[in-house]
Amino acid sequence: AQSVTQLDSQVPVFEEAPVELRCNYSSSVSVYLFWYVQYPNQGLQLLLKYLSGSTLVESINGFEAEFNKSQTSFHLRKPSVHISDTAEYFCAVSEAGAQGGSEKLVFGKGTKLTVNP
Amino acid sequence: DTGVSQDPRHKITKRGQNVTFRCDPISEHNRLYWYRQTLGQGPEFLTYFQNEAQLEKSRLLSDRFSAERPKGSFSTLEIQRTEQGDSAMYLCASSLTPNSPLHFGNGTRLTVT
Repeated sequence: AQSVTQLDSQVPVFEEAPVELRCNYSSSVSVYLFWYVQYPNQGLQLLLKYLSGSTLVESINGFEAEFNKSQTSFHLRKPSVHISDTAEYFCAVSEAGAQGGSEKLVFGKGTKLTVNP
Repeated sequence: DTGVSQDPRHKITKRGQNVTFRCDPISEHNRLYWYRQTLGQGPEFLTYFQNEAQLEKSRLLSDRFSAERPKGSFSTLEIQRTEQGDSAMYLCASSLTPNSPLHFGNGTRLTVT
């Protein structure tokens, strides 16, 4: 079974500051890793994912995450945040397999990112 | 692409009553998932369908819970004899293939009084 730990429940930052949202996972098998974002009053949306290949993955809005197998981490970073990045961010893991992907995602508890002017 | 639609958005019910939620996935998506999210927690997997077949159920899905997807399109989640512990946001998601991302609906918030 997999588990996900998001170490920070809330992260307040000022606009244009860098941010890192931490995610560690536990699994006895190979995994796929995801970050989902939930903006206020909206559903969860996929931000980025790691399935295989390059360990550094990027989103279209400037976020990036790096898969570190030795540290079992998948931290999310952005060098300069905007007020519009205010949202709750969820790290998730699923078991890698022949079909793989999004089945039976195991989510962390989420990190609320608040960007202040 | 009209997105995943869930109905109702909110449901308040008294303990012991039955409730049913509906999820309409994105039309070409053959996989449909139900998750539950309680306050301060991330979503927890409940069950998923490939077309009309229910392929897996979490141990969280007690005998009081039943999910169906009769024609491989919309799905319903029924909770019988609701308990206060059932109060949560119930999320539906769909995907086109196993490797494609989940598209989530806005959820149905259930409050059991």
